[in-house]
Amino acid sequence: LAKTTQPISMDSYEGQEVNITCSHNNIATNDYITWYQQFPSQGPRFIIQGYKTKVTNEVASLFIPADRKSSTLSLPRVSLSDTAVYYCLVGDMDNYGQNFVFGPGTRLSVLP
Amino acid sequence: NAGVTQTPKFRILKIGQSMTLQCTQDMNHNYMYWYRQDPGMGLKLIYYSVGAGITDKGEVPNGYNVSRSTTEDFPLRLELAAPSQTSVYFCASSYSGSSYEQYFGPGTRLTVT
Repeated sequence: LAKTTQPISMDSYEGQEVNITCSHNNIATNDYITWYQQFPSQGPRFIIQGYKTKVTNEVASLFIPADRKSSTLSLPRVSLSDTAVYYCLVGDMDNYGQNFVFGPGTRLSVLP
Repeated sequence: NAGVTQTPKFRILKIGQSMTLQCTQDMNHNYMYWYRQDPGMGLKLIYYSVGAGITDKGEVPNGYNVSRSTTEDFPLRLELAAPSQTSVYFCASSYSGSSYEQYFGPGTRLTVT
């Protein structure tokens, strides 16, 4: 079960690009990297998922180096509404149970 | 699609009481999950199900029970409520295993006093 480590909190200002890095030194060959976003009083929401290199969608980009021991979630030009907790998770797509662990996440505060 | 719905939104229980948290999804997902989230913490998996009639324990199953008689519904039963069960409970579903995108419900905030 790959354990992840990410900063507890980050501050940013509106309009800036925010990069949140997650370490997963014990990532296994079949593991994918997934990021979720959680607003206060809501359930987590899937943001992006990747296996290697770079993945981009309309919300964020995910950068994964060749050794896959870390990953970086990039949020372009954040706004106040991006204030949330961001979780990095690592898991095998074929593991159907409890391989996904939501740690404390990174609490991002976007300031005006 | 309504996605994942949970009832009730809020509930206060006295110690020793029992209740059932309801969860329904309309996406025809096989996999469903129950998590609890304590203040300032991440989510902990209580129980999960890979299909109707099949359930299994997660990280923190003690004090809870589940059943899965249909694809759509996955109720969570609390027996003999304790203050340690004060938490926010989230139900989620996914097309396949937990590494696939999970869709979460709005949560149930439970207080046991």
